[in-house]
Amino acid sequence: QVQLQQWGAALLKPSETLSLTCAAYGGSLSGFSCNWLRQPPGKGLEWIGQVDHRGVSTYNSSLKSRVSISRHTSANQIFLNVRSVTAADTALYFCAGHWPRVTPSGGFHPWGQGTPVTVSS
Amino acid sequence: DIQMTQSPSSLSASVGDRVTITCRASQSVSDYISWYQQMPGKAPKLLIYGASTLHSGVPSRFSGSGSGTDFFLTISGLQPEDFATYYCQETYSSPFSFGPGTNLEIK
Repeated sequence: QVQLQQWGAALLKPSETLSLTCAAYGGSLSGFSCNWLRQPPGKGLEWIGQVDHRGVSTYNSSLKSRVSISRHTSANQIFLNVRSVTAADTALYFCAGHWPRVTPSGGFHPWGQGTPVTVSS
Repeated sequence: DIQMTQSPSSLSASVGDRVTITCRASQSVSDYISWYQQMPGKAPKLLIYGASTLHSGVPSRFSGSGSGTDFFLTISGLQPEDFATYYCQETYSSPFSFGPGTNLEIK
């Protein structure tokens, strides 16, 4: 069964670049799409974007100008970069899997453990 | 973008109670609705997908229903471990929006 483990820098200064990695292991990744999401303190969940099984990335328009998501297929790793961060980017960041080709109406599972990121001068 | 709303935003109930949470989409999403449970500081857990299909390993006291724009999550016979925040999500089209959440508290 596929599991996700994520890591990256937890404390950034304004204008720096947030970089996180999500590693997938333990099962078949055929048809796997990897999503990045975030949750500001005390608030709800926001979808940032995804990279699908073909390597095609899609982004939330609210962040599109600052975000890039890519994958290193052979290493089963997926990367998130958010440029020019501000305090508003402070949040708990998650990666989450999705298999739309296998289960079109399926949900996001599994999830990484979450990485808290704080942006502060 | 599809907008998701949930009601109530918070709910107090007792162990053994039956509760229902409502989720509404701003346009039809067919059955492309998932429900998640989240504990503070933890990743959400998938409970229901396809509006009514129970995810593997999820207790049968959880059930989902609805189609189109109106969806429901019901928990029958609340257990102490069920007190958490619940979110609905549409996976019909990006940006795969979530509802604002329902905080289920112990009465």
